[in-house]
Amino acid sequence: DTAVSQTPKYLVTQMGNDKSIKCEQNLGHDTMYWYKQDSKKFLKIMFSYNNKELIINETVPNRFSPKSPDKAHLNLHINSLELGDSAVYFCASSQDFGPDTQYFGPGTRLTVL
Amino acid sequence: QKEVEQDPGPLSVPEGAIVSLNCTYSNSAFQYFMWYRQYSRKGPELLMYTYSSGNKEDGRFTAQVDKSSKYISLFIRDSQPSDSATYLCAMSTGNQFYFGTGTSLTVIP
Repeated sequence: DTAVSQTPKYLVTQMGNDKSIKCEQNLGHDTMYWYKQDSKKFLKIMFSYNNKELIINETVPNRFSPKSPDKAHLNLHINSLELGDSAVYFCASSQDFGPDTQYFGPGTRLTVL
Repeated sequence: QKEVEQDPGPLSVPEGAIVSLNCTYSNSAFQYFMWYRQYSRKGPELLMYTYSSGNKEDGRFTAQVDKSSKYISLFIRDSQPSDSATYLCAMSTGNQFYFGTGTSLTVIP
């Protein structure tokens, strides 16, 4: 059983489009995260939700909007995609917010043309 | 200055070698130190987790934290080809997380 799953795995789209990436965890965790990993493998946290409440909102463009319909899901919507948004986006979850063990999803490779 | 500095490598070693991976940091508020392993086209997975200073051993892996020098290390003994991956250090104050850029390791059979 997949603990943290993301869809789609690959996403290729044109500049200016709007796209969403979905994330689901079946671990019963209370906290979920979105990370962006650039081509140089630098992993940077974007958002964190604990029990559907936003608790981390790092400096990311307003075009990025997370949505948590319930504890098990944290989706990422991106408006007006730009070339610089091309990266791998990872969803992760942990039981508690903090340095608890985070379980990562397989990633979504976004390519903006 | 980045919060966490990590040499990206690449690092290439023969099978059976001892590997040393390192990170330095600038924020003295970091209390939690982690090492993640990331295989190609996969998500990171937690290898080691240490609170504050000291050593922690798990099988062939040893994590060391020296808070006075703001320096952490991961040692891999008897390295195997299956250890070939990118190793990311991560640090946290409790409510802020920072990752290093990762060190790419190849273990040659």
